[in-house]
Amino acid sequence: DSGVTQTPKHLITATGQRVTLRCSPRSGDLSVYWYQQSLDQGLQFLIHYYNGEERAKGNILERFSAQQFPDLHSELNLSSLELGDSALYFCASSRTLGGETQYFGPGTRLLVL
Amino acid sequence: QKEVEQDPGPLSVPEGAIVSLNCTYSNSAFQYFMWYRQYSRKGPELLMYTYSSGNKEDGRFTAQVDKSSKYISLFIRDSQPSDSATYLCAMSVRGTQGGSEKLVFGKGTKLTVNP
Repeated sequence: DSGVTQTPKHLITATGQRVTLRCSPRSGDLSVYWYQQSLDQGLQFLIHYYNGEERAKGNILERFSAQQFPDLHSELNLSSLELGDSALYFCASSRTLGGETQYFGPGTRLLVL
Repeated sequence: QKEVEQDPGPLSVPEGAIVSLNCTYSNSAFQYFMWYRQYSRKGPELLMYTYSSGNKEDGRFTAQVDKSSKYISLFIRDSQPSDSATYLCAMSVRGTQGGSEKLVFGKGTKLTVNP
């Protein structure tokens, strides 16, 4: 158990809908990273927050957004969902800003029908 | 050319074998090199990370970085069935403010260690 929690574990929704994924980092970790993992693309870095501030963006679509709250939990919002958004979404947390030592949560499996 | 290339395998070895997993990269700006292990339906788990060229050892695992060849390796000695998993390499560049400016993962190599 990494100490990172993600909810929900599974999510089934329809195209065009909006969902929110939640992540609680390990106690004391200020950094939260979001990733999307699909069979064809592998693990893709989406976005990084550190102590409430956005620090880096990866391959995140404009339909996706995230934020980190004062209690350091983070939410990833996915809107206007498409079939191709079906994937595993992971968050990871780290004590440092650099991101070399990240602890991953168990993931949220999203299925868009 | 992709920034990080990793042979997807699958790789199948007998128990006790030495396993070699490799990644190549094209971006010479990468500074940090990581290896993660991912069991089926689980989140990746950090095995090792290194900054400089050379070897770093941790138990049965050795990470090797050759920046001149843009090539990194993970060696697993005395492999066990419990090592059966997908192994992901990852690389990052630090930005001027200390955060990861770029963070890229390989697609992973699926390893099976047969008893």
